[in-house]
Amino acid sequence: GDSVTQMEGPVTLSEEAFLTINCTYTATGYPSLFWYVQYPGEGLQLLLKATKADDKGSNKGFEATYRKETTSFHLEKGSVQVSDSAVYFCALSDFWANSGGSNYKLTFGKGTLLTVNP
Amino acid sequence: DGGITQSPKYLFRKEGQNVTLSCEQNLNHDAMYWYRQDPGQGLRLIYYSQIVNDFQKGDIAEGYSVSREKKESFPLTVTSAQKNPTAFYLCASSTWAAHGNTIYFGEGSWLTVV
Repeated sequence: GDSVTQMEGPVTLSEEAFLTINCTYTATGYPSLFWYVQYPGEGLQLLLKATKADDKGSNKGFEATYRKETTSFHLEKGSVQVSDSAVYFCALSDFWANSGGSNYKLTFGKGTLLTVNP
Repeated sequence: DGGITQSPKYLFRKEGQNVTLSCEQNLNHDAMYWYRQDPGQGLRLIYYSQIVNDFQKGDIAEGYSVSREKKESFPLTVTSAQKNPTAFYLCASSTWAAHGNTIYFGEGSWLTVV
């Protein structure tokens, strides 16, 4: 089945440091890839996405490139801020079917906690 | 403002009781989902619905039930059969189930069994 593996946290950085959070995936189909961010006590917000190989998703200074050859979608930001402190989830959307029906389903990694200190 | 509203934000349940979590969306989305989040874990799919009056089990449906009588509403009932219900529950929706479509999430509901 589909799976997502992302680097375990927590990750602690100083403000203006470079950020990389690694994400690799296994999928039976041809998935779309997403990064979601979760601030304390809140739901998830879409950060960026890519729907085909070599696509680059970007938003708020964050970037990730869909690498089919390495099955990866690593999240990067050149200069983090204190306000970027949150949990980051890598996810894939792929066609999924069981005895009850079929759908495009999101499969999530376990999340990486990022803390940015001033 | 368009969005997904979950209520209550915090809920305490006694063992043996059923509880219902509300989820309402005004985004005119066809598909709705319920996910469960445990500390240090990713999200796991409980149930999903692609259209009114239809829903399917996800990966961890045992001990849960849902209904989809209206397009805007997808309530989740946590029954007494759910052995470990303490978790953060997230409702989500999307335009329809298709490649690349974004799934949008509500703010979540914390359920604690006391």
